[in-house]
Amino acid sequence: QQQVKQSPQSLIVQKGGISIINCAYENTAFDYFPWYQQFPGKGPALLIAIRPDVSEKKEGRFTISFNKSAKQFSLHIMDSQPGDSATYFCAASNLGEYGNKLVFGAGTILRVKS
Amino acid sequence: DTEVTQTPKHLVMGMTNKKSLKCEQHMGHRAMYWYKQKAKKPPELMFVYSYEKLSINESVPSRFSPECPNSSLLNLHLHALQPEDSALYLCASSPALGFREQYFGPGTRLTVT
Repeated sequence: QQQVKQSPQSLIVQKGGISIINCAYENTAFDYFPWYQQFPGKGPALLIAIRPDVSEKKEGRFTISFNKSAKQFSLHIMDSQPGDSATYFCAASNLGEYGNKLVFGAGTILRVKS
Repeated sequence: DTEVTQTPKHLVMGMTNKKSLKCEQHMGHRAMYWYKQKAKKPPELMFVYSYEKLSINESVPSRFSPECPNSSLLNLHLHALQPEDSALYLCASSPALGFREQYFGPGTRLTVT
């Protein structure tokens, strides 16, 4: 019930292409869905987040699409750049007994080829 | 100042050593977190502090001992660690436990020999 499943495990995209990473969850109590970007040797950086009352949120080249009925959400990176090459983690949380515990997906290693 | 800082960046310790990891934030955040991240894996929550009090302990072995001496500082004391404890230790903070955004520091790369 606490799991968040993320796919694909790795992704190679040409420069200028669209990168798409998908996540699915089971626990309907989750009400906050962030995406984190992590470069090698660095801590995760909050990229963008969405709440389940919205179906889409866009910030620059990054868009989250959210499908509440399917319990799925995805990250789209438009016009992907080599500098976007990193590991991306989706996550989910709620404010129940776990406080603000983030449950992370397994991660997707993105490589953008120039 | 919108940063979470962690020291040291790297730490190598023997299994009989005692060492400490330090985390600082000056954003006025009142919730602070310790995570452990193994290579090619997501971060795993270890401890949560809220207003300097331990709020969550994710059944972490007692060889890891957290401390929150004030609202800006979080320590993780290490003693008698095992080689499998080698990992990236991440600190994060959020304005309060009810605020969702968590901001991570760069981490301390720990190697136990």
